[in-house]
Amino acid sequence: DQQVKQNSPSLSVQEGRISILNCDYTNSMFDYFLWYKKYPAEGPTFLISISSIKDKNEDGRFTVFLNKSAKHLSLHIVPSQPGDSAVYFCAASRTSYGGSQGNLIFGKGTKLSVKP
Amino acid sequence: EAQVTQNPRYLITVTGKKLTVTCSQNMNHEYMSWYRQDPGLGLRQIYYSMNVEVTDKGDVPEGYKVSRKEKRNFPLILESPSPNQTSLYFCASSLWRGSYNEQFFGPGTRLTVL
Repeated sequence: DQQVKQNSPSLSVQEGRISILNCDYTNSMFDYFLWYKKYPAEGPTFLISISSIKDKNEDGRFTVFLNKSAKHLSLHIVPSQPGDSAVYFCAASRTSYGGSQGNLIFGKGTKLSVKP
Repeated sequence: EAQVTQNPRYLITVTGKKLTVTCSQNMNHEYMSWYRQDPGLGLRQIYYSMNVEVTDKGDVPEGYKVSRKEKRNFPLILESPSPNQTSLYFCASSLWRGSYNEQFFGPGTRLTVL
C-alpha cells in the first residue's frame, strides 16, 4: 500500500502565479517530510523540508505547509518561474524507526509546467 | 566539488549477463542508498547501507545485490538481469542532519535489459 501519495501526476501554471503541489501520507509515524525537485537527465535535488512539530516552513519562494490531522502537506511556489518546471517528489521519513532510521519513502511525483 | 557519481550513465544489455553499476561519493557520508524510478511508480528503494559492511533491503530488493566495502563506494550488482529491471537507477548518499537524512542523488543510470 502506498504510504506517500501525490495524486496529481501533472500541474500547469502561468508564470508569476502560485503553484500548489499536494501530498498525502498514511503512516502517522512519519515525523519528517521533504520535497525534492528533479529535472530531466539529472538526479533529484533537495528543495525544502518540514518537521512534524511544525506546520509551516518557508525558504524564499518555497513554502511547505503541514496539516498533521489531515495527514497532508503542500508545497507552495510563489511566484512561479519557468525554471521551476520539473518533477517534484514528496518524501517522508520515520527517524525513530529502528535500523532504517532516515529511510525516505517517496511519492510518485508531480510534473510541474510553468508557462511564460 | 561535493558529488555522487554513477557509472555507466547509460547501459543496454541482454538478459542474464551480469552487470555492476558503480556509485561513489566524496562527502564522507555514512548512509548510501539505491533507488529505481519507473513511470507511474516514483522512486523506490532497492537497498541501503548505514555504514561500511552494513547493508539492508529496501522495498524492491529482488534481483539485486550490493556491497559496502569502503565508505565512499556502493556498487549495485545485477547477477542475472531481466527485462523487468529496465529502469532508471539513482544512487544517493546522506548527511544525517540530526532528525532526517537529506539525500544527495547521483545523475542516474538508464539501464535497458533486452
